[in-house]
Amino acid sequence: QVQLQQSGAELVKPGSSVKISCKASGHTFTSYDMHWIKQQPGNGLEWIGWIYPGNGNTKYNQKFNGKATLTADKSSSTAYMQLSSLTSEDSAVYFCARYRRGGNWFAYWGQGTLVTVSS
Amino acid sequence: DIQMTQSPASLSASLGETVTIECLTSEDIYSNLAWYQQKPGKSPQLLIYYANILNDGVPSRFSGSGSGTQYSLKINSLQSEDVSIYFCQQNYDSPLTFGSGTKLEIK
Repeated sequence: QVQLQQSGAELVKPGSSVKISCKASGHTFTSYDMHWIKQQPGNGLEWIGWIYPGNGNTKYNQKFNGKATLTADKSSSTAYMQLSSLTSEDSAVYFCARYRRGGNWFAYWGQGTLVTVSS
Repeated sequence: DIQMTQSPASLSASLGETVTIECLTSEDIYSNLAWYQQKPGKSPQLLIYYANILNDGVPSRFSGSGSGTQYSLKINSLQSEDVSIYFCQQNYDSPLTFGSGTKLEIK
């Protein structure tokens, strides 16, 4: 079955960067976009963007241009998101997610990675 | 960006009751709407897509309806395991956007 396994929680300092991972299994990694979604404590969900691991194409929510960089490693079926110039506003849980087969709906989610930005 | 206005923000109901959650969109999204359920400390789970199609394994007490700019999620015969936050999401246009969520509790 499709599984998305994310890396563990991160405590990082303001101004630094962090790179979190999402290892996919149970499906052909290069055939599906991998999306990233942000959830701040008590807040709703924000779509960050997607990467198509087959060719590395990406699309970002304009709000996250310059903040998030999406990459993928086909050899390990792992997607990555790097967040740069971190501030307290970047403290959140970040999810990777994949569409269901035959429809653009998030049927598969990672367990989430908590990023805490604090000095 | 398409704005998603979800109501109510919170809801308390008794076991066995029927509840309805609404989602208004800032423009017509032609039924390109999904509903997700998020239990405390967990990832969201897809309940309904294309406004009214139940995802695999979702109990039939959940149903979705609507068109244009107005959509709703109905839960019949409320069960204790339905305590969650519910989100709507549109994928008609980029950027994908979500409602702010409805927190459902049991009285």
